[in-house]
Amino acid sequence: AQSVSQHNHHVILSEAASLELGCNYSYGGTVNLFWYVQYPGQHLQLLLKYFSGDPLVKGIKGFEAEFIKSKFSFNLRKPSVQWSDTAEYFCAVIRTADSWGKLQFGAGTQVVVTP
Amino acid sequence: NAGVTQTPKFQVLKTGQSMTLQCAQDMNHEYMSWYRQDPGMGLRLIHYSVGAGITDQGEVPNGYNVSRSTTEDFPLRLLSAAPSQTSVYFCASSYDRPGGGVNEQFFGPGTRLTVL
Repeated sequence: AQSVSQHNHHVILSEAASLELGCNYSYGGTVNLFWYVQYPGQHLQLLLKYFSGDPLVKGIKGFEAEFIKSKFSFNLRKPSVQWSDTAEYFCAVIRTADSWGKLQFGAGTQVVVTP
Repeated sequence: NAGVTQTPKFQVLKTGQSMTLQCAQDMNHEYMSWYRQDPGMGLRLIHYSVGAGITDQGEVPNGYNVSRSTTEDFPLRLLSAAPSQTSVYFCASSYDRPGGGVNEQFFGPGTRLTVL
């Protein structure tokens, strides 16, 4: 079955530390990839997306992600986190050949940044 | 643009009651979806629509009904509420990509539902 895995469920780190969140998927074929963020009490917002081209994608708020096709991965990174990055982060994947209803989300990673 | 709006923000139901969660978008998006969010399980798709008059089931459709009579509105009906339907419900919309696949989703603020 097709799946999206986020390996870390909870991450706690200090301000200025670097962040890397893993996302792996099990699909074959061409995929579209997304990272969303959900700040406490808010709805999901798009951080960044990958459709094609340069596998290193820059997003908002200093986030970036690297698509490694051979590893079926789309890991999210930020060199130096701030307290305001405390949030839950979701990876989402869909094959370009699939219909809208096949978009799958990972289980999410709760990130807590301490001052 | 208001984007994606949802009402109500909070709701408490008793087991067996029915209700409708409202969702509307003003971006003329053809795609709309309903998700439920439960701790440790991410977002799970309940129902989705690829245009007015067209709906389909997602991963967890049981106990829910949808209809899409207009492009703007996509209400979710709980037929007979059960405690297992206690969750946060998000509506989302999106639009096609010319090269294939779908664009990012735009989410509403969510409805927190408790079923006693």
